[in-house]
Amino acid sequence: EAQVTQNPRYLITVTGKKLTVTCSQNMNHEYMSWYRQDPGLGLRQIYYSMNVEVTDKGDVPEGYKVSRKEKRNFPLILESPSPNQTSLYFCASSAQYGPRSSYEQYFGPGTRLTVT
Amino acid sequence: AQSVTQPDIHITVSEGASLELRCNYSYGATPYLFWYVQSPGQGLQLLLKYFSGDTLVQGIKGFEAEFKRSQSSFNLRKPSVHWSDAAEYFCAVGGHNQGGKLIFGQGTELSVKP
Repeated sequence: EAQVTQNPRYLITVTGKKLTVTCSQNMNHEYMSWYRQDPGLGLRQIYYSMNVEVTDKGDVPEGYKVSRKEKRNFPLILESPSPNQTSLYFCASSAQYGPRSSYEQYFGPGTRLTVT
Repeated sequence: AQSVTQPDIHITVSEGASLELRCNYSYGATPYLFWYVQSPGQGLQLLLKYFSGDTLVQGIKGFEAEFKRSQSSFNLRKPSVHWSDAAEYFCAVGGHNQGGKLIFGQGTELSVKP
């Protein structure tokens, strides 16, 4: 089954304690992205990756890091989490090349993060 | 600037009534337009998408949307709402020159009255 998986689904942590949220896709997609969802703001892009070892900032990158060492994985790293990073996080992937329908993004189930 | 606006934060309709959710976009090139639905506690599921061609597109679960270039709109419609349609709906715009990036609207929460 084609899917995007994220782990963990729920996480409660304390300010300053480094954490990583994993994301993996099994569709051989080139493009992967992280979004955060906050009430009234919709989804905002944090970082994206066009392919292995190619990453770039989205609209709200401050306080986050990413890496793309393998095509299927795109972890999100919070080096020193703060309470304003409490949010719902989504990973997404899409095929970068081929028919235009590949611009459809497939989303993971989300990770609800609480930073106290 | 590229943006998507969903003017209605929350809409309540009666079961069986018709539904229209509004979406307006600002985009400098030919837009690719999407509607996603998010049920409580769930991820986002694609309802439908528009790239080109027929401006009226059909999606899953009985939804349709109409692209109106002159009005920069892509409104979502359903003729008869079911209680299971209660969810949050997101309009998004992307384009060939954006790579895979999508810009999302703020979302519209739909409640369905029995």
